[in-house]
Amino acid sequence: DTGVSQDPRHKITKRGQNVTFRCDPISEHNRLYWYRQTLGQGPEFLTYFQNEAQLEKSRLLSDRFSAERPKGSFSTLEIQRTEQGDSAMYLCASSLRSLAPSGANVLTFGAGSRLTVL
Amino acid sequence: SQKIEQNSEALNIQEGKTATLTCNYTNYSPAYLQWYRQDPGRGPVFLLLIRENEKEKRKERLKVTFDTTLKQSLFHITASQPADSATYLCAPRGGSQGNLIFGKGTKLSVKP
Repeated sequence: DTGVSQDPRHKITKRGQNVTFRCDPISEHNRLYWYRQTLGQGPEFLTYFQNEAQLEKSRLLSDRFSAERPKGSFSTLEIQRTEQGDSAMYLCASSLRSLAPSGANVLTFGAGSRLTVL
Repeated sequence: SQKIEQNSEALNIQEGKTATLTCNYTNYSPAYLQWYRQDPGRGPVFLLLIRENEKEKRKERLKVTFDTTLKQSLFHITASQPADSATYLCAPRGGSQGNLIFGKGTKLSVKP
């Protein structure tokens, strides 16, 4: 297993276009997360899946953003009608949900997909 | 709302010294707190996790403390090296079961 893979690594698009990012998590991980990071800021939580179910979405995730994980394996994050404010690094992470009551989620991140909206 | 503050945006120290980074949180009580390292252009990498019932955790040259009364975690790197230069992120567990909330990070620069 080569870790969490994200594609593409870089995307430049014009305002108003749609973009899609793909994330392939570590195969045995059942949880998958999307975060967004801008320069000088920490990662901001967008959404996460447990298997194929999307369990939580941040208020940051506007209607233009949609994420899917159709078979509980890879995930896609689509941004419709991109705006310049969407320019950021989009990070995907995965984890294995612990069955212990106090189990902790340790996240393994991919290298990210950098989006530039012109 | 939940808020995380990391003491400074940047910390410059001399090689061999101990670096101490601070993470303060307000408006919630996380069951655990994690520290991650992030290099430019890369995703964060997990370093250490400390639970609310643990006072201190160590891993090689790293040490983390967790004071639930002060709502603060301290992250120490002893005998720092230029290779330790990176941004360090504090991440207390969020209010839900799933997500982690990250601080803005502290950029550490270790000068030879």
